[in-house]
Amino acid sequence: DAKTTQPPSMDCAEGRAANLPCNHSTISGNEYVYWYRQIHSQGPQYIIHGLKNNETNEMASLIITEDRKSSTLILPHATLRDTAVYYCIVGSNNAGNMLTFGGGTRLMVKP
Amino acid sequence: GAVVSQHPSWVICKSGTSVKIECRSLDFQATTMFWYRQFPKQSLMLMATSNEGSKATYEQGVEKDKFLINHASLTLSTLTVTSAHPEDSSFYICSASAGNTGANVLTFGAGSRLTVL
Repeated sequence: DAKTTQPPSMDCAEGRAANLPCNHSTISGNEYVYWYRQIHSQGPQYIIHGLKNNETNEMASLIITEDRKSSTLILPHATLRDTAVYYCIVGSNNAGNMLTFGGGTRLMVKP
Repeated sequence: GAVVSQHPSWVICKSGTSVKIECRSLDFQATTMFWYRQFPKQSLMLMATSNEGSKATYEQGVEKDKFLINHASLTLSTLTVTSAHPEDSSFYICSASAGNTGANVLTFGAGSRLTVL
């Protein structure tokens, strides 16, 4: 069973912020939230991860609600090259554990 | 940063032949690697977990005799699709964790697209 729920698709205007939501209401206390994206015909690319605090890096910001049941990935100034499928995954922080991908959100950034 | 290399990036083969795909961690050692398969317009599906020095763990529904996995060193895992058929045509992607971030951040290879005629 999928651990996360994401809208199947979203559009965003170039230069505007893209806010991608994810519901993970059954997340366990020790599970992290990971975000990856996959540009067409390439392997997934890691974006960001977090446990309970909001996180920011050079690619994006991750906002996790206080109850940890949902999160939002924010791309502050979307470009055409950000068009991709974005996957929200919850999983253990143990390096030996696999991550299970759900359906993801297909983000289309438009000029 | 951690880099995972896959080879070949694409391969076309005749039905009934076997195809080997290599997955290498270039700048880190990986005791565990993961093999995923992705059909067009679908998400990634985990096929198996490759463990260095021991047998791979296969997900339910994945035939271990058809998809042979060998993880003979800390930097190399191979997936062999034996007696390939057109329904095996897919995008195969491997991944591994460098384990240096305090979390399970996976680095993915660029993928190998298999077309079976």
